[in-house]
Amino acid sequence: NAGVTQTPKFQVLKTGQSMTLQCAQDMNHEYMSWYRQDPGMGLRLIHYSVGAGITDQGEVPNGYNVSRSTTEDFPLRLLSAAPSQTSVYFCASRKYRDSQETQYFGPGTRLLVL
Amino acid sequence: DQQVKQNSPSLSVQEGRISILNCDYTNSMFDYFLWYKKYPAEGPTFLISISSIKDKNEDGRFTVFLNKSAKHLSLHIVPSQPGDSAVYFCAASRTGGTSYGKLTFGQGTILTVHP
Repeated sequence: NAGVTQTPKFQVLKTGQSMTLQCAQDMNHEYMSWYRQDPGMGLRLIHYSVGAGITDQGEVPNGYNVSRSTTEDFPLRLLSAAPSQTSVYFCASRKYRDSQETQYFGPGTRLLVL
Repeated sequence: DQQVKQNSPSLSVQEGRISILNCDYTNSMFDYFLWYKKYPAEGPTFLISISSIKDKNEDGRFTVFLNKSAKHLSLHIVPSQPGDSAVYFCAASRTGGTSYGKLTFGQGTILTVHP
């Protein structure tokens, strides 16, 4: 199993550009989520999905869109990048209704918006 | 409003000694708590967790203690090893309803274990 994979590893964007951060998992996990990590703020939940076709907002959803057409993939779209979206983005997955509450994280995408 | 707080940005410990990382939370609805470890340029990895029905959970060198009345948890690492040097995140969740699976993280504590 590859676990949770994310692409790209690093990206530089100009303000106003759009892009999609890719996330895939091969563990057949129902639950997937996106977090951003900023200095001094820990990880904050952007969007999450409890299964294909179902998504919902997290703590900091503004400026981001998600969709979940398959169990494996959960892409995060930046519609019009802003410098405030400079961050490290982590995708995570877990089995839904798993009593352990353990989430598996991908290696992250480092995004710089100029 | 930071619902999960790790008030110590960093901690330095000698190899072989105990490392104690602390975490406080404000939301009394949280009923599951986790510790994640993160190395540079990698994603967080799960370390240990505890349900609110327990006050202690142990896994090898790692023990998590939960004090619900004080809304405080701590992670003890004994003995500390240089490979434990990483950022440690405390996280909390509610296991019921629409909040299922959502983790609220603390700011993280950088642990450095010196040989």
